[in-house]
Formats: sequence, C-alpha cells, structure tokens
Amino acid sequence: DQQVKQNSPSLSVQEGRISILNCDYTNSMFDYFLWYKKYPAEGPTFLISISSIKDKNEDGRFTVFLNKSAKHLSLHIVPSQPGDSAVYFCAASEGNFNKFYFGSGTKLNVKP
Amino acid sequence: DSGVTQTPKHLITATGQRVTLRCSPRSGDLSVYWYQQSLDQGLQFLIQYYNGEERAKGNILERFSAQQFPDLHSELNLSSLELGDSALYFCASSAQSSNSPLHFGNGTRLTVT
Repeated sequence: DQQVKQNSPSLSVQEGRISILNCDYTNSMFDYFLWYKKYPAEGPTFLISISSIKDKNEDGRFTVFLNKSAKHLSLHIVPSQPGDSAVYFCAASEGNFNKFYFGSGTKLNVKP
Repeated sequence: DSGVTQTPKHLITATGQRVTLRCSPRSGDLSVYWYQQSLDQGLQFLIQYYNGEERAKGNILERFSAQQFPDLHSELNLSSLELGDSALYFCASSAQSSNSPLHFGNGTRLTVT
C-alpha cells in the first residue's frame, strides 16, 4: 500500500516559468516531509523540508507548501532552469522515527 | 558530494549467490538507512540503524540482513539472490534519528543473472 503518491510521472515546463510538483499522502500521522532531486547515476539530493507545524517553507527558488487537511504537499520552483531537469521525489515520515516513505517520482523537463 | 560513500558501484552476480554492500556515512552522522529502488519504482525502505542498534525495519526480506559497526559504517548482506533482487541499493545517513533529512550515497547497482 503506497502511503505517498506522486500521480504525475512527468512534467514539462518552459525555462523561466514556474514548475509545480505535487505529492499526496494517506497517513495523517506523517509530520515531516522532504523533497529530493535525482539526476541519473547519482543518489537523491536533499532539497527542502517542512514539518507539520508549518504550511510553507522557502529556500531560494524552491518553496514547499503543505496542506494537512488535504494531505497534500507541493514543490514550487521559480524560475525554472534547464539544470532543474531531474526526477523529483517527495518523502514523509512520522513521529520519532526517520522511516521515510517515498513517492515514485516526477520527471521534470525544463525546456530552454 | 553528499559525503556518503557506497561500494561497490556495480555488482553482477548469479542467482543463488551472496553479496555484501558497504556504506560509510557522512562524518558525524549516527543513523544509517538502506533503501532499494527497483526499475521505475520509488525508493523502498529496508532498514535503519542508529549508533549500532537497529531502529526501524521496513520491507526487508529474510534473505537480507544488515549491521552497523562501531565505526558507524554499515553493510547490507543479500543472500540466495534471485533475479528480482536486481535493483539499485541506496544507503543514506542522517545526523539525528528523527526529523532529520537523509543524505544519500550514489548507490550500488546490483544485477543478478
């Protein structure tokens, strides 16, 4: 049973525009969320996190939004750059454990 | 560079064999995690260690085992290998055991023939 879902396998965006990547979860006990970026032949790279006490966290061009009532989080990248082209994973964990559940990923293509 | 080192990068072996994957965490990180990524799948949590002790277990098969040594490096042992075990195996580490981002190595690609 997949507790974290990324329903869009791919997303294509023009350079300079906003990229919005979405993630849904089913476990209401999840209280800590992460986004990762992954290039081919490399491990996932941590991008940004958010805890359930917040609804927004910003780091440069990256902003993560959390809607606890909808069990939904999103990652906004503004402006998108060709170097952002990668697979993006969301992940969630609950309580005192760092046992993260990952989504299946969304492949972002930013066109020049 | 995440600071997490995994060896070997690639491993090709036959069904029924046993292999050991090795991971050195980032300096200072006490927690080590193992994840499996099969073709076009997400990352599946296998097991977590914190300062040498097993802390959480995921979908780890009985044929698989892991340990974390006093110097904090970890090994994942896969035995009686099957074709379906072919996957990318990632190790990650974190500074704390909860509410702390994971930092991943570049993985070991295992191919079972």
